[in-house]
Amino acid sequence: SQTIHQWPATLVQPVGSPLSLECTVEGTSNPNLYWYRQAAGRGLQLLFYSVGIGQISSEVPQNLSASRPQDRQFILSSKKLLLSDSGFYLCAWSGARGYQETQYFGPGTRLLVL
Amino acid sequence: QKEVEQDPGPLSVPEGAIVSLNCTYSNSAFQYFMWYRQYSRKGPELLMYTYSSGNKEDGRFTAQVDKSSKYISLFIRDSQPSDSATYLCAMSDQAGTALIFGKGTTLSVSS
Repeated sequence: SQTIHQWPATLVQPVGSPLSLECTVEGTSNPNLYWYRQAAGRGLQLLFYSVGIGQISSEVPQNLSASRPQDRQFILSSKKLLLSDSGFYLCAWSGARGYQETQYFGPGTRLLVL
Repeated sequence: QKEVEQDPGPLSVPEGAIVSLNCTYSNSAFQYFMWYRQYSRKGPELLMYTYSSGNKEDGRFTAQVDKSSKYISLFIRDSQPSDSATYLCAMSDQAGTALIFGKGTTLSVSS
């Protein structure tokens, strides 16, 4: 069966510090991978998605970036965090072949920027 | 007009009640519809998936899609306190593309 991991679970960072959040998927190959941010009262906002290694599409221009160095690894980064980057960050995957339409979410990382 | 509208609630019901959760959408190209359940401080979990119009039933949960009205529903029968969560609708027009989410409805079932 497939599982998706995210770490860290919780992070408190000062404004201006760098960020690196990691997501890995097990039990599947060549998944589509997604990063979402969930802020209170604003729903789920798609930040980045990737259909393969090194292929990243950005949905929202901001000070965040994403990378996919391996097939089942997706990283969200920032060089300098802003207060507005606080939120709940969720990684998701969907199958590359068949059932592409359903996405499965990881446990999330709660980020607080102070 | 937002692509997907969902009443945020909160919705409070007694245990055993029938719950109806709804979303409306504006893009007639949407054909994949999902409901996710999200407990506090957890990632969303897929609850129901429906392709195109029609009904789908899974235990106490029934998902309905009415494409002519651009309206989808999730019914929960015999609601339990463990159903207390935020329910998110999601949809897309093509497989493998980004999902468009509603903002979620918070449900509280009291015993």
